Amino acid sequence: ELKVEQNPLFLSMQEGKNYTIYCNYSTTSDRLYWYRQDPGKSLESLFVLLSNGAVKQEGRLMASLDTKARLSTLHITAAVHDLSATYFCAVDEYGNKLVFGAGTILRVKS
Amino acid sequence: ETGVTQTPRHLVMGMTNKKSLKCEQHLGHNAMYWYKQSAKKPLELMFVYNFKEQTENNSVPSRFSPECPNSSHLFLHLHTLQPEDSALYLCASSQEPPGSSTDTQYFGPGTRLTVL
Repeated sequence: ELKVEQNPLFLSMQEGKNYTIYCNYSTTSDRLYWYRQDPGKSLESLFVLLSNGAVKQEGRLMASLDTKARLSTLHITAAVHDLSATYFCAVDEYGNKLVFGAGTILRVKS
Repeated sequence: ETGVTQTPRHLVMGMTNKKSLKCEQHLGHNAMYWYKQSAKKPLELMFVYNFKEQTENNSVPSRFSPECPNSSHLFLHLHTLQPEDSALYLCASSQEPPGSSTDTQYFGPGTRLTVL
């Protein structure tokens, strides 16, 4: 059974600082996703990572995948208040069955 | 309407009621999903439909009954629910198999369900 662990579960950051969210998973997989969820809202897709060494960047967020270590990271550069949200990683167990991590609540303080 | 829509957005029901949640996707996808998001657990996959056929039932109690009449519509019929079933129920859709490297599951806004 695939297990997905995120850490930290809660992250309070100062504006302008950098930080990284980690996503570990227990079995091999071909696809890993990062989603963002604002309070009271649905999930918004951020990144799809398909292969070992994949790196994708959008604005202040950069995601990477190491399939050998079964680890993905979401790096936040120079955080701004608008990035406050809950971030989830999800791993494709087989076919289109996604297993989600518990989520990381990010709060950016000015 | 674009994307994935869900109705109702909020629902309060008693344990003896019967209600249905509706999901519609306008993306031309062929797979649809129901997820449960509760306060104390990670997002849980409940059901998967590919081309209207159920391909996954993630050990969901029978008081939840899904229906997928076509690739664009998905229902979740609810009956004799328990208070612990109170949660946000999210619908999603995707193209399967993925047609491009950016294909992902697109989520609806969810139905906030409260069982009294």
